[in-house]
Amino acid sequence: DTAVSQTPKYLVTQMGNDKSIKCEQNLGHDTMYWYKQDSKKFLKIMFSYNNKELIINETVPNRFSPKSPDKAHLNLHINSLELGDSAVYFCASSLNLPSDGYEQYFGPGTRLTVT
Amino acid sequence: GQSLEQPSEVTAVEGAIVQINCTYQTSGFYGLSWYQQHDGGAPTFLSYNALDGLEETGRFSSFLSRSDSYGYLLLQELQMKDSASYFCAVRDQDNYGQNFVFGPGTRLSVLP
Repeated sequence: DTAVSQTPKYLVTQMGNDKSIKCEQNLGHDTMYWYKQDSKKFLKIMFSYNNKELIINETVPNRFSPKSPDKAHLNLHINSLELGDSAVYFCASSLNLPSDGYEQYFGPGTRLTVT
Repeated sequence: GQSLEQPSEVTAVEGAIVQINCTYQTSGFYGLSWYQQHDGGAPTFLSYNALDGLEETGRFSSFLSRSDSYGYLLLQELQMKDSASYFCAVRDQDNYGQNFVFGPGTRLSVLP
């Protein structure tokens, strides 16, 4: 029973293409996130989504767009892929409560390679 | 701006104690988290400190000093499986407290 799942695990595509990464959590959490981890392992938040409110990191290009069909899913769409988009993308979810230390549960990651 | 600093690498032997420091500068501060990430894996939560002091969870402890903008993760009785990267992360006031800024990570190598 995977808590946070992502598909696909690996994604290889060419520059200029459009791709999507799916994320699902079965924890009943209200808040979901997308993170990007680059080759130097820097982990940076891209979006958080809570109760249908999207909070965007202003440094994220508008080629990236999260879409949430329901509370358990937060998908990531990327348009016009660029070489610099190559990274590992992690989805995460949390209850966002002090009682559990704002613990975030991360999915297994999607390694995106743009050629 | 926001920035966090951690040592890039730490090496220790099995059974030893190691401390990984984290200093931060943020526009607002709610708390400090620690995450562990093994190579090829996902980050997993270790601890969260919102108030000054030491929090202990088994072999791992985390400390926070808000006045010094400083925290550390203490790992005791090191085991080979503790070899991983460790990230501190600040939960700050941006985005209604849903913003987390991660440090650059510290790679811990545990030697036999």
